[in-house]
Amino acid sequence: KAGVTQTPRYLIKTRGQQVTLSCSPISGHRSVSWYQQTPGQGLQFLFEYFSETQRNKGNFPGRFSGRQFSNSRSEMNVSTLELGDSALYLCASSGGQNTGELFFGEGSRLTVL
Amino acid sequence: DAKTTQPPSMDCAEGRAANLPCNHSTISGNEYVYWYRQIHSQGPQYIIHGLKNNETNEMASLIITEDRKSSTLILPHATLRDTAVYYCIVRVAYNTDKLIFGTGTRLQVFP
Repeated sequence: KAGVTQTPRYLIKTRGQQVTLSCSPISGHRSVSWYQQTPGQGLQFLFEYFSETQRNKGNFPGRFSGRQFSNSRSEMNVSTLELGDSALYLCASSGGQNTGELFFGEGSRLTVL
Repeated sequence: DAKTTQPPSMDCAEGRAANLPCNHSTISGNEYVYWYRQIHSQGPQYIIHGLKNNETNEMASLIITEDRKSSTLILPHATLRDTAVYYCIVRVAYNTDKLIFGTGTRLQVFP
């Protein structure tokens, strides 16, 4: 079955703009979480959604937001982009049984100029 | 969640066993040990997890010490495709999928 799909794979934005990233989880998975990966900070948890509800949130400013739709697809949005937001944004899905076995997509690489 | 300590890098010859150590001396009784790896430019991949018993699957074996303060991930016959960053993570298996990644071990498998 198809894996986690993230779109777009690459994008370039300028400071002050906003961006929306999309994630389609594995069919049947109800939990979606988002991570940011940068060379300096490594992999950091952004937020997690289960059945359209945010279940957990990492330590990121309010410019970072997300949502989950009834079909479990998720989007994250970053407003007022800063240079430091340049990163690989990874989405992961799971069946929701809290086994800790997450399936990651290949990520969306955002460059902010 | 408990913190983990891993060596920053390791080398392994192709075909040999790769033994990746992880220290988690502050682990609590209800915290599991998870291993993920990330091959360059890809998303992390789940490998294995365990609580106190040793575990084995088609990818690797996980050996947890009796006091649970450390563990070792074993790739029995490393291949060049096993070159990746390996993350040891300790988490409580309750109502969240949140993972806290450390800096991991960069494993280089050479011919």
